[in-house]
Amino acid sequence: DIQMTQSPSSLSASVGDRVTITCQASQDITNYLNWYQQKPGKAPKLLIYDASNLETGVPSRFSGSGSGTDFTFTISSLQPEDIATYFCQQYDNLPFTFGPGTKVDIK
Amino acid sequence: QVQLQESGPGLVKPSEPLSLTCTVSGGSISSYYWSWIRQPAGKGLEWIGRIYSSGSTNYNSSLKSRVTMSVDTSKNQFSLKLSSVTAADTAVYYCARTHRGGSLDYWGQGTLVTVSS
Repeated sequence: DIQMTQSPSSLSASVGDRVTITCQASQDITNYLNWYQQKPGKAPKLLIYDASNLETGVPSRFSGSGSGTDFTFTISSLQPEDIATYFCQQYDNLPFTFGPGTKVDIK
Repeated sequence: QVQLQESGPGLVKPSEPLSLTCTVSGGSISSYYWSWIRQPAGKGLEWIGRIYSSGSTNYNSSLKSRVTMSVDTSKNQFSLKLSSVTAADTAVYYCARTHRGGSLDYWGQGTLVTVSS
């Protein structure tokens, strides 16, 4: 199975700050990488697909980049409603696997 | 707007099977893969497997011997059965549509299944 790692595991930032999360795959997954946002008690929500494509209806302050084994997720200007845990997920190989998550809160 | 809703018992005894159904509304179940994912409390996400509308399946090898998925296109439903459960199977179980090869774009709200006697 492909192992996904994320860093940091948690972060605190101020409203308006730029926030960056990294995700690393244990092998080359080209661009078969998604990012999800999960708020407490809710199902995950797809934000970014194919590493860098914004899902319809998702605010443009969210973005993704990368290919191969190293990927980055960015919130350009953190908003209070962005408080959540963010997961990466690969779908290059079965089984689909997720990163352990990065919890983002407001400083 | 596609909506998914999980249903099934919230409490299952150890060694018994866990059975859940996901009902899809607002769209057809045809021509898509549909996945099950679970999340133990305070932990990460584990993909259990997927089923195509034709009935073709792929299961996570970590659970493969205990998982069975089925689909009923006439009811726009798909189902999960996990046999011989233990406390380690206690989790919130989600169903989701699988799009573009592996993007989980629509999710159910999730249902908590507790394994306990």
